[in-house]
Amino acid sequence: EAVLTQSPATLSLSPGERATLSCRASQNVEIYLAWYQQKPGQSPRLLIYDASNRANGIPARFSGSGSGTDFTLTISSLEPEDFAVYYCQQRKNWPPITFGQGTRLE
Amino acid sequence: EVQLVESGGSLVQPGGSLRLSCAASGFTFSRYSMTWVRQAPGKGLEWVTSISGNSDKTHSADSAKGRFTISRDNSRTAVYLQMNSLRAEDTAVYYCVQDGGDWNETFQHWGRGTLVSVSS
Repeated sequence: EAVLTQSPATLSLSPGERATLSCRASQNVEIYLAWYQQKPGQSPRLLIYDASNRANGIPARFSGSGSGTDFTLTISSLEPEDFAVYYCQQRKNWPPITFGQGTRLE
Repeated sequence: EVQLVESGGSLVQPGGSLRLSCAASGFTFSRYSMTWVRQAPGKGLEWVTSISGNSDKTHSADSAKGRFTISRDNSRTAVYLQMNSLRAEDTAVYYCVQDGGDWNETFQHWGRGTLVSVSS
């Protein structure tokens, strides 16, 4: 099972600042990693798939990078609506599909 | 526009059964595998089970094996989750998810979820 570890657990920043979120896999997942955003009371939303591809309608300030075991989600300049919980997810070594535990951006 | 509408969640006693449904629209249903993901109150996301576009393949998390069964009806564009022998730890919001393709487990679109509470 590919365990995903996200860091930090909580990231405290202000609007306009740059956010860097990390996801580390216990096994090589190649590029098969996605990022999701979840706001309180809402369903998760796909942001990035296959490590670096933005999903439809996702603003350009969101970018993903990495391969193998180390991945990064970067938000270049935080907007007020970006404060949420972010999850990574791998689909290379499944079953099971695994998620990271989440990073809360506050 | 893709729409996924879950139903069937409720309060159920431990050991009981429940069947969740998900009505899908806005895409060619049979071309996509479908997945159920759950989220316990205040916790993270947990993959439960997936089914391929023509139902020839399913995979389930260990926590679901032997108790939960995913199925789909392409003529009705619906996916189902039959849950038996429910436990307190199954309490969660259950999301119906459209995958990124057939057996492409990128979770492209999510429903709003349906709450399952297991308690006596």
